[in-house]
Amino acid sequence: GAGVSQSPSNKVTEKGKDVELRCDPISGHTALYWYRQRLGQGLEFLIYFQGNSAPDKSGLPSDRFSAERTGESVSTLTIQRTQQEDSAVYLCASSTSGARTEAFFGQGTRLTVV
Amino acid sequence: AQSVTQLDSQVPVFEEAPVELRCNYSSSVSVYLFWYVQYPNQGLQLLLKYLSGSTLVESINGFEAEFNKSQTSFHLRKPSVHISDTAEYFCAVSVDTGFQKLVFGTGTRLLVSP
Repeated sequence: GAGVSQSPSNKVTEKGKDVELRCDPISGHTALYWYRQRLGQGLEFLIYFQGNSAPDKSGLPSDRFSAERTGESVSTLTIQRTQQEDSAVYLCASSTSGARTEAFFGQGTRLTVV
Repeated sequence: AQSVTQLDSQVPVFEEAPVELRCNYSSSVSVYLFWYVQYPNQGLQLLLKYLSGSTLVESINGFEAEFNKSQTSFHLRKPSVHISDTAEYFCAVSVDTGFQKLVFGTGTRLLVSP
């Protein structure tokens, strides 16, 4: 596709369940980011993949959160044993290699934990 | 590691008035600077960026930002705002060393009223 695609667009889950969020980056983009945006708040960095380098996981809030990316393709963000405070919009972005390049964002997945 | 500070979480302004959204950064190396905008119920998109050369950069919709190295700032300005400028604005920084990760500020919500 032409842009970053995220699925599902909306997810409602029960507290304690696991969820998996998917991000399809723009083809050829080596860098991929996951951010969290709680209602009315700013962007919270979660994890960053750059090519085949070890990911920067410094933003993951707890060990319930994990993310994977195979090569330069799809990434999945998994939240285990969801809690109500996990409710937020999860944003994925991708870019080509290099610090000068623009990051392109998906529309996000709105996660609601009830 | 670099960081970005957006001191104003919300800036209310009347239509046709000027506005300045403040952004300060911290980095021990040369930086690239970006402003992203998030309109209501939309994804983030790039507004403008400073990579090198002229310290004053402009967007197509009348915004401009000036890179000030001595003050480590990249404030966003518009001489006359429109209702349609109501959005969340995020400042971001990246560097050409290490992981080249894009680091965002917490965002400033611009509220334009008639």
